[in-house]
Amino acid sequence: DAGITQSPRYKITETGRQVTLMCHQTWSHSYMFWYRQDLGHGLRLIYYSAAADITDKGEVPDGYVVSRSKTENFPLTLESATRSQTSVYFCASRRPGTEGLTEAFFGQGTRLTVV
Amino acid sequence: GENVEQHPSTLSVQEGDSAVIKCTYSDSASNYFPWYKQELGKRPQLIIDIRSNVGEKKDQRIAVTLNKTAKHFSLHITETQPEDSAVYFCAATVMEYGNKLVFGAGTILRVKS
Repeated sequence: DAGITQSPRYKITETGRQVTLMCHQTWSHSYMFWYRQDLGHGLRLIYYSAAADITDKGEVPDGYVVSRSKTENFPLTLESATRSQTSVYFCASRRPGTEGLTEAFFGQGTRLTVV
Repeated sequence: GENVEQHPSTLSVQEGDSAVIKCTYSDSASNYFPWYKQELGKRPQLIIDIRSNVGEKKDQRIAVTLNKTAKHFSLHITETQPEDSAVYFCAATVMEYGNKLVFGAGTILRVKS
């Protein structure tokens, strides 16, 4: 589990500010994901990436931007934070496997509060 | 796109009793169904998974069953213990670019001692 880390663990920001959440993995997994966790909604996919420079939208991408210039990093940026983006954010990674049958490993999460 | 529904949203059982959590999925092409356990303040961690060519899998007190025809799968925990108290998530892999996991909304399991 120590192979995937998120920073910061906690963040308070003001409405309208830009904030970036970092995710770093040491396994060289191809696939990386960003989820947000809200009570009653489980884990909802924001963006995912199949490899460096390849990203795609998930279920709830509005207001978020991602990049993946290196395999090991997958930062998530909130361009102009809103209170509705207050949530716990989890990054995850998976290695390629036969027809995608591989475990996803999660980072420890970032609790973001927008005031 | 894929949709995963999970029931119940909360479940309370007495220590030693069994607990069952059920999920349904919409994409018939899905072929991998993991279950994750998340303790308070921690990250989700895999506890068991099943592939579509298998109907049942067991690991000590935990078992998962899959009915591909009905597109539903279930988590069974026997002889529950207080340390089983957590949030449990089911998920299904969408067979498309990225092989993304789509999660259910979660079940809060409370084991009363």
